Amino acid sequence: EAQVTQNPRYLITVTGKKLTVTCSQNMNHEYMSWYRQDPGLGLRQIYYSMNVEVTDKGDVPEGYKVSRKEKRNFPLILESPSPNQTSLYFCATGSGRAYNEQFFGPGTRLTVL
Amino acid sequence: GQQLNQSPQSMFIQEGEDVSMNCTSSSIFNTWLWYKQDPGEGPVLLIALYKAGELTSNGRLTAQFGITRKDSFLNISASIPSDVGIYFCAGQIGNQFYFGTGTSLTVIP
Repeated sequence: EAQVTQNPRYLITVTGKKLTVTCSQNMNHEYMSWYRQDPGLGLRQIYYSMNVEVTDKGDVPEGYKVSRKEKRNFPLILESPSPNQTSLYFCATGSGRAYNEQFFGPGTRLTVL
Repeated sequence: GQQLNQSPQSMFIQEGEDVSMNCTSSSIFNTWLWYKQDPGEGPVLLIALYKAGELTSNGRLTAQFGITRKDSFLNISASIPSDVGIYFCAGQIGNQFYFGTGTSLTVIP
């Protein structure tokens, strides 16, 4: 079954404690992206990757890092989380010329105290 | 970042009615996309539009890419209870995507 998996699905943490949210896909998609969703603001793109070892900033990259060492995985790293990073995070993937037709993961709800 | 103004913010309609929502921007987009999000889940793609003026249907859904490239609309005909959810427009510039703030649809049986 084609899917995008995110872990953890829920996380409560404290300010400054480094964390990683993983994203994994089994569809061999080249394009992967991270978004955050906040009430009243829709989804905002954090980082994206066109392929292995290629990453670029989205609209709101501050406070986040990503890596793309292998095609199937695209982890989102918060080196020093702050309360304003409390949000619902989605990973998305896309393939080939139609990479804009993205498949979204189930989401990770992060709370930073 | 780019601003996409999506309206209306919410809609309450009777089952069987038609629905229309739209997105406008001051920026020109290469692609317009429409997604639906159910509670507790990620967005699911409904329709992708690639050319100015393009009109595309997916079952009871119809969407159009505005000729100015700065707007798009989505129509749902003969709404049913499972149409309930939040609908998002998204525009693409280069390899980046910008989303509207969503239209929350409630269908009253």
